[in-house]
Amino acid sequence: GQNIDQPTEMTATEGAIVQINCTYQTSGFNGLFWYQQHAGEAPTFLSYNVLDGLEEKGRFSSFLSRSKGYSYLLLKELQMKDSASYLCAVDNTDKLIFGTGTRLQVFP
Amino acid sequence: KAGVTQTPRYLIKTRGQQVTLSCSPISGHRSVSWYQQTPGQGLQFLFEYFSETQRNKGNFPGRFSGRQFSNSRSEMNVSTLELGDSALYLCASRGVAAQETQYFGPGTRLLVL
Repeated sequence: GQNIDQPTEMTATEGAIVQINCTYQTSGFNGLFWYQQHAGEAPTFLSYNVLDGLEEKGRFSSFLSRSKGYSYLLLKELQMKDSASYLCAVDNTDKLIFGTGTRLQVFP
Repeated sequence: KAGVTQTPRYLIKTRGQQVTLSCSPISGHRSVSWYQQTPGQGLQFLFEYFSETQRNKGNFPGRFSGRQFSNSRSEMNVSTLELGDSALYLCASRGVAAQETQYFGPGTRLLVL
């Protein structure tokens, strides 16, 4: 079967660092996407990991371990505008399989 | 480059009616995927089209169908609407190179009364 797990909700303080974990068990794997989705809006692309390791893009970094079926999204210097849902998705060639998303609330 | 566009953005229908949603991918993208998003189920894959052929289909009833045209534009149709079809329908396009990013359109919010 296909299974992708993320925490449902997380809270953090402005200026802090937060790590959102994602574990997966899928029949196929080409890579792993992270998307950000603000309420009522479409998902926007954050990162795509194909190989193991950490990829950094400004305040956001994403890590992948294919042997462990594990990824995380690291958000540094949190801002209020980072309050959103963060979606982890496995790239299964012809489709993306999404987790249910992690709703992050950033407080002042 | 223009992004993925979807029309209409909002739609209200009644049970039993049918609806057609449209998606125009990013120029040069030949793969178009459709997803349904509801608060309880998250993002669920509907189907994917590439060069006018359906390559993959999710676990949705036959009331959900789609097609892709030669210019890569895609439509999805839902017949005999049910209350549970109320959702955000998202279209995403992707380039042909390996490991290309998938980009989403703004979505069509469908409300079935």
